[in-house]
Amino acid sequence: DSGVTQTPKHLITATGQRVTLRCSPRSGDLSVYWYQQSLDQGLQFLIQYYNGEERAKGNILERFSAQQFPDLHSELNLSSLELGDSALYFCASSVQAGGAYEQYFGPGTRLTVT
Amino acid sequence: AQSVTQLGSHVSVSEGALVLLRCNYSSSVPPYLFWYVQYPNQGLQLLLKYTTGATLVKGINGFEAEFKKSETSFHLTKPSAHMSDAAEYFCAVRTSRAGGTSYGKLTFGQGTILTVHP
Repeated sequence: DSGVTQTPKHLITATGQRVTLRCSPRSGDLSVYWYQQSLDQGLQFLIQYYNGEERAKGNILERFSAQQFPDLHSELNLSSLELGDSALYFCASSVQAGGAYEQYFGPGTRLTVT
Repeated sequence: AQSVTQLGSHVSVSEGALVLLRCNYSSSVPPYLFWYVQYPNQGLQLLLKYTTGATLVKGINGFEAEFKKSETSFHLTKPSAHMSDAAEYFCAVRTSRAGGTSYGKLTFGQGTILTVHP
């Protein structure tokens, strides 16, 4: 158990819908990262927050957004969902924003868009 | 920009045999390098990491990796495979340069699925 929790574990929804994925980082970790894992794209970095502020952005679609709240939990919002958004979404956390600090991964949320 | 190439999407070994999973990276600055393992239906677990100092890094479950700057490689090895090692393994790179918009992100390879035969 990494100490990072993600809810829900599974999510099945229809095209065009909007969903919210939630992540609680390890106690004491200030930085949260979101990654998408799919068969065709592999593991892709989406976005990073540090202590409530956006720190880095990767290949995140405009239909996706995220935020980190004062209690440090984070939410990833996916809207106007398409079939291609079906993937495993991971949240990871670390003590600091980068450097040698390792990232601890949650169990993931499996999103299926039908 | 950074990138990682894992040679071989599937590796199959017999129980007790040497495990060698290959990783080559590209980075314009000294990198931090990581190996993660993913068991079915689970998240990623850190096996080991290289930041600075000793180039031979030991990790959990008997795995180790050697950073070779001249070869831009960070291959993962284990002297004797166990059935429980069957999983997918990911090599990842991260910049050591502070600041900028890429400081924290991990760039992953495509993964190598390790199968262990009895």
